[in-house]
Amino acid sequence: EIVMTQSPATLSVSPGERATLSCRASQSVGSNLAWYQQKPGQAPRLLIYGASTRATGIPARFSGSGSGTEFTLSISSLQSEDFAAYYCQQYNNWPPEYTFGQGTKLEIK
Amino acid sequence: EVQLVETGGGLIQPGGSLRLSCAASGFTVSSNYMSWVRQAPGKGLEWVSVIHSGGRTYYADSVKGRFTISRDNSKNTLYLQMNSLRVEDTAVYYCVRAPSSGIFDYWGQGTLVTVSS
Repeated sequence: EIVMTQSPATLSVSPGERATLSCRASQSVGSNLAWYQQKPGQAPRLLIYGASTRATGIPARFSGSGSGTEFTLSISSLQSEDFAAYYCQQYNNWPPEYTFGQGTKLEIK
Repeated sequence: EVQLVETGGGLIQPGGSLRLSCAASGFTVSSNYMSWVRQAPGKGLEWVSVIHSGGRTYYADSVKGRFTISRDNSKNTLYLQMNSLRVEDTAVYYCVRAPSSGIFDYWGQGTLVTVSS
């Protein structure tokens, strides 16, 4: 099983500042990495796939980078609606055994 | 507009069975990969199962042999039959569309399954 590890568990950032979230895979997943945002009481929402491609309707302040085992989600100029939990997920292996990171909670500083 | 509506959750005793349904609209279930993803209370996300457009099915080790994913093309509906339920299966279960591989682009609102005596 590919283990996904996110850091930090909690990130405190002020509105208007930049947030950088990290995700590490226990083995290479190529660019088969997605990021999701989840607000309390809601279903997750796809933000990024292919490590760096924004999903439909996602603002340009969200960007993803990385390949192999190290990935980053950056959110420039944080808005109030961006404070939420973020999960990375790999979809590289076959047969399918998709795994998520444990999440990073982005909170207001 | 793509919509996924899950039903069938509830309180069930350990060892019992439950079937979840996911009614889809705005797209064709059989033309997509469809998955179930669950989230235990206060915890992270866990992939459960996928059914490919061609009908092949795959499961997480934690549910293999107990859960069965299926679909009814005439009803455009996805199912998850859950048998031999355990306390650790307690979670919100999300129905998810994956138009290619494991990219989950649309999620239902989720249905809560509570396994408790």
